[in-house]
Amino acid sequence: DIVMTQSPDSLAVSLGERATINCKSSQSVLYSSNNKNYLAWYQQKPGQPPKLLIYWASTRESGVPDRFSGSGSGTDFTLTISSLQAEDVAVYYCHQYYTTPFTFGPGTKVEIK
Amino acid sequence: QVQLVESGGGVVQPGRSLRLSCAASGFTFSSYGMHWVRQAPGKGLEWVAIIWYDGSNKNYADSVKGRFTISRDNSKNTLYLQMNSLRAEDTALYYCAREGSSGYYYIDWGQGTLVTVSS
Repeated sequence: DIVMTQSPDSLAVSLGERATINCKSSQSVLYSSNNKNYLAWYQQKPGQPPKLLIYWASTRESGVPDRFSGSGSGTDFTLTISSLQAEDVAVYYCHQYYTTPFTFGPGTKVEIK
Repeated sequence: QVQLVESGGGVVQPGRSLRLSCAASGFTFSSYGMHWVRQAPGKGLEWVAIIWYDGSNKNYADSVKGRFTISRDNSKNTLYLQMNSLRAEDTALYYCAREGSSGYYYIDWGQGTLVTVSS
């Protein structure tokens, strides 16, 4: 199984400041034949289902604010919130869909400092 | 708009069975693969099962293989999860999720149905 890890477990960021979440996979999720990274990011607010933010490691889902961006390749990935807003308080999960069993990172909790 | 509405959860004793349903609307259900993903109380996300758009292929997490069966009825726009031999560790909020048109990421999620396995 591909094990996903995230760091940090939680972070507190001031409003308007940058938040950076890291995700690492135990093996590459880059498919060489199409040069795509099979990595997605989700945001989950309390009492709500997860919401897709980013797929293919860096493609923003329609309607997602452009302050959210994804980067990385192979085994190392980053989700960046360029200017944290109050509504961004949530838990963020990375997810590999390269191979079954599909697996998620443990989550990173983002709070306001 | 897309709606996924899960039902069928509840409290069940260990070893018993339960069937979850997910009613889909707002999109062409028969064109999309579907998944079940669960979340134990206060914990992270765990993928449970996938079924292809036409039901021809299915795959399961090892933790549920041989006990759970995913199925779909495209004429009723409904996804199912038959859960047998339930264990305490199956206690979770079960979400159905629609995968993307180009990959197995999840573009839509239901609100979930809670399954509690307890004696």
